[in-house]
Amino acid sequence: DTEVTQTPKHLVMGMTNKKSLKCEQHMGHRAMYWYKQKAKKPPELMFVYSYEKLSINESVPSRFSPECPNSSLLNLHLHALQPEDSALYLCASSQGTGRSYGYTFGSGTRLTVV
Amino acid sequence: QQQVKQSPQSLIVQKGGISIINCAYENTAFDYFPWYQQFPGKGPALLIAIRPDVSEKKEGRFTISFNKSAKQFSLHIMDSQPGDSATYFCAANNNAGNMLTFGGGTRLMVKP
Repeated sequence: DTEVTQTPKHLVMGMTNKKSLKCEQHMGHRAMYWYKQKAKKPPELMFVYSYEKLSINESVPSRFSPECPNSSLLNLHLHALQPEDSALYLCASSQGTGRSYGYTFGSGTRLTVV
Repeated sequence: QQQVKQSPQSLIVQKGGISIINCAYENTAFDYFPWYQQFPGKGPALLIAIRPDVSEKKEGRFTISFNKSAKQFSLHIMDSQPGDSATYFCAANNNAGNMLTFGGGTRLMVKP
């Protein structure tokens, strides 16, 4: 299995809703990432998990809450989002940190906040 | 601060031609330089990558050229095909491997 699987593929939520994005990989990768991508822009790093511990938070607002239940799963909990948070949310994984490896990206969740 | 600068923003190439995309970086802590291809509605897919101890790497029709002293690297797509039409991102990662930074992207269109 060489894929990163993200669910759901599309999500529409109101500003008062609580929802979660899920990401799963079975490549034995020990680093996992959340990126946010706006239209016609490059992905922007949000969070880095290394060996199931949060190692980097790129000053992301607290309405985004990451969680890593185990080495294969990564969640992003969403609460009280704003319309400007509408974007493609990408999960990625790599063999680990401490040395540079290629990242494998999922297809993303297209989030629309209404 | 944009740490990886990419040009051009868009590129139109005839089928069979060579597509060239350039990137420049500033942070000397970067030690891994991948290129990603992204189709609409999909996540970026790793195309090819290079480390700074090598000046060129070729995989099929894709070649990375790397100039460490100039802090520049480029992607060459030989015999470009309509199926290559996508957005290409250069990127750089630091020697801790946890800060993959993307260039601004190049939208490539290959005309039949």
